[in-house]
Amino acid sequence: DTAVSQTPKYLVTQMGNDKSIKCEQNLGHDTMYWYKQDSKKFLKIMFSYNNKELIINETVPNRFSPKSPDKAHLNLHINSLELGDSAVYFCASSQDLAGHNEQFFGPGTRLTVL
Amino acid sequence: RKEVEQDPGPFNVPEGATVAFNCTYSNSASQSFFWYRQDCRKEPKLLMSVYSSGNEDGRFTAQLNRASQYISLLIRDSKLSDSATYLCVVNNNQGGKLIFGQGTELSVKP
Repeated sequence: DTAVSQTPKYLVTQMGNDKSIKCEQNLGHDTMYWYKQDSKKFLKIMFSYNNKELIINETVPNRFSPKSPDKAHLNLHINSLELGDSAVYFCASSQDLAGHNEQFFGPGTRLTVL
Repeated sequence: RKEVEQDPGPFNVPEGATVAFNCTYSNSASQSFFWYRQDCRKEPKLLMSVYSSGNEDGRFTAQLNRASQYISLLIRDSKLSDSATYLCVVNNNQGGKLIFGQGTELSVKP
């Protein structure tokens, strides 16, 4: 029943490690996103994909590499994790790129880098 | 200047109170406007879209003033369950990107 799901929900890891977060939506949407919410609760877009094609890369370090194997999935791989990567990462989806569309968010992945 | 600015609060109000949140945005070309709600340690969820003519959904009323680049949300007859962070959100039709304000925290007390 879950519309947008993410795994894992919590991720605790050491600096320098590589980790991945998976996201899936069962809404039949064309567009998916990754957002980062930092310790001050500020939500900021990282990437958007439309039909598996990268649309936005919001000056994110290239240690972050999104991958969309199909339009229902958008995974986020992070290399060489740093302390500043600690945050909550939200996946979202929308019908398409039209600005008036509601975006549906996953439950978030709370990443802690030690 | 931040693209979307909100008073972070917190707003502490008694049940039954009326509370108003304000938000300003910097890009005059912005196209779509929303209020999202985020409960503690949960994901943001759409509360309502905001239209130029103003719109109402039960106890919630949203207004948009394009000339002043100002968005508001009014909550009447506050309930305990209204306690959350309210996010003012703008979409500039740039690849679907949502631009979030920092959120206004509301705490409704018995």
